[in-house]
Amino acid sequence: GDSVTQMEGPVTLSEEAFLTINCTYTATGYPSLFWYVQYPGEGLQLLLKATKADDKGSNKGFEATYRKETTSFHLEKGSVQVSDSAVYFCALSVPNTDKLIFGTGTRLQVFP
Amino acid sequence: DSGVTQTPKHLITATGQRVTLRCSPRSGDLSVYWYQQSLDQGLQFLIQYYNGEERAKGNILERFSAQQFPDLHSELNLSSLELGDSALYFCASSVLGQSIYNEQFFGPGTRLTVL
Repeated sequence: GDSVTQMEGPVTLSEEAFLTINCTYTATGYPSLFWYVQYPGEGLQLLLKATKADDKGSNKGFEATYRKETTSFHLEKGSVQVSDSAVYFCALSVPNTDKLIFGTGTRLQVFP
Repeated sequence: DSGVTQTPKHLITATGQRVTLRCSPRSGDLSVYWYQQSLDQGLQFLIQYYNGEERAKGNILERFSAQQFPDLHSELNLSSLELGDSALYFCASSVLGQSIYNEQFFGPGTRLTVL
């Protein structure tokens, strides 16, 4: 079935470091791909999305490119801030359904 | 603030009991989704309602049920509670169904603790 695999956390970085969180997926058809972020004590917020192969989603300095050949959607940011500390979820939207399938989440901790 | 509200914020109850979680979607959103977030199973889709009717079902136990009312708010009923039902329950809403055009907006969640 459809699934999303994310790298295990926590990811611990110093401020201004480069961030990569890996995400790969398995899906039939052509899913849309998403990154959601969950700040402490809050619900999930959509960070960025990509709807077809080679699309790049970007928001707040974060980027991810939909790579069909490697079934990946890795999240990157060039310079993280302490305020980026949160849990990041990769997700896919199952085509022709209303379902979102989430990865297990990756906790990012950024220290000054 | 996503515009989705959930009550209560915290709920502590005992095994075997029944509880009701409530969700009010964003104004104008017709679809409501329920998710369960637990340490061992991650974030799992439970069920979706669209304009009062069940639209999609995920890994929802038979002890759980949900409904969406004419004013579009939704309730998730959990009965015969077990320790393993302790989790964070999220509600999300979207204008129509989930698609590339309609994102889901999440509420802050209800933390359920079963003792």
